[in-house]
Amino acid sequence: DQQVKQNSPSLSVQEGRISILNCDYTNSMFDYFLWYKKYPAEGPTFLISISSIKDKNEDGRFTVFLNKSAKHLSLHIVPSQPGDSAVYFCAASAYKNEKLTFGTGTRLTIIP
Amino acid sequence: EPEVTQTPSHQVTQMGQEVILRCVPISNHLYFYWYRQILGQKVEFLVSFYNNEISEKSEIFDDQFSVERPDGSNFTLKIRSTKLEDSAMYFCASTAGAFTGELFFGEGSRLTVL
Repeated sequence: DQQVKQNSPSLSVQEGRISILNCDYTNSMFDYFLWYKKYPAEGPTFLISISSIKDKNEDGRFTVFLNKSAKHLSLHIVPSQPGDSAVYFCAASAYKNEKLTFGTGTRLTIIP
Repeated sequence: EPEVTQTPSHQVTQMGQEVILRCVPISNHLYFYWYRQILGQKVEFLVSFYNNEISEKSEIFDDQFSVERPDGSNFTLKIRSTKLEDSAMYFCASTAGAFTGELFFGEGSRLTVL
C-alpha cells in the first residue's frame, strides 16, 4: 500500500545546479507534507514542510512545491552542494493524525 | 544541540528472544514515537505515545510489541518474542508540542534476528 511514492530511487546532479526531487501521494486525506534528509548511520532529519493550504514554501536553498490537484509535491534545492548528498524522504500526514507515512526515498548524489 | 539518543546501536538476537530497545528523547519533549525501516524499504510508523499512554499504533504494532516510559527520561520498545522479519533499523523520535510532523529522530538501533 504505497500511499506516498517516490519513483526515482536515485538522482545525480552537478554541484551548483538545481536538484528536483519528486513525490506523489494517493491519499486525499493527507494535508501536511514534509521532506526529511537522511545520511548513512543517522536518523532522518527534518528539512522543510508544507501545509495543504499553501502551494509553496521556501527556506533558504530549499523550496517545496505542492500541486494538490495532481497529488504531487517536489523539493527544489538550488544551488546544490556536495553536503546535500543524502537520501531524501517525502512524508505525509492527515489532519490530527500523528502518524507520518513515508515514501521509499531518493538517493541524491551531488557531483563536484 | 539537544538530541535523541538510542541504545544499543546494534543488537543481534536469536529468534524467539525478548529485546528491549531504549531511547532518551529530548528533555522537554512530550510526544514520543517509534518507527522502523526494514533494509531497502520505507520508514514505517509503529507507535506514538503521549501522557504515558499509546495515542496511536499501526497494524505492525501487534501484541508482541510494547512501549513504556519507565522514568522521566527513558522511552523503551520491547519485542517479546522476536521473529526473523523483525530485523530492521528502529528509530525513536520525539517532538515538543502538538503534532507538527517535525520529528527529531535518533540515530537508530539496528536489530538483527537470527
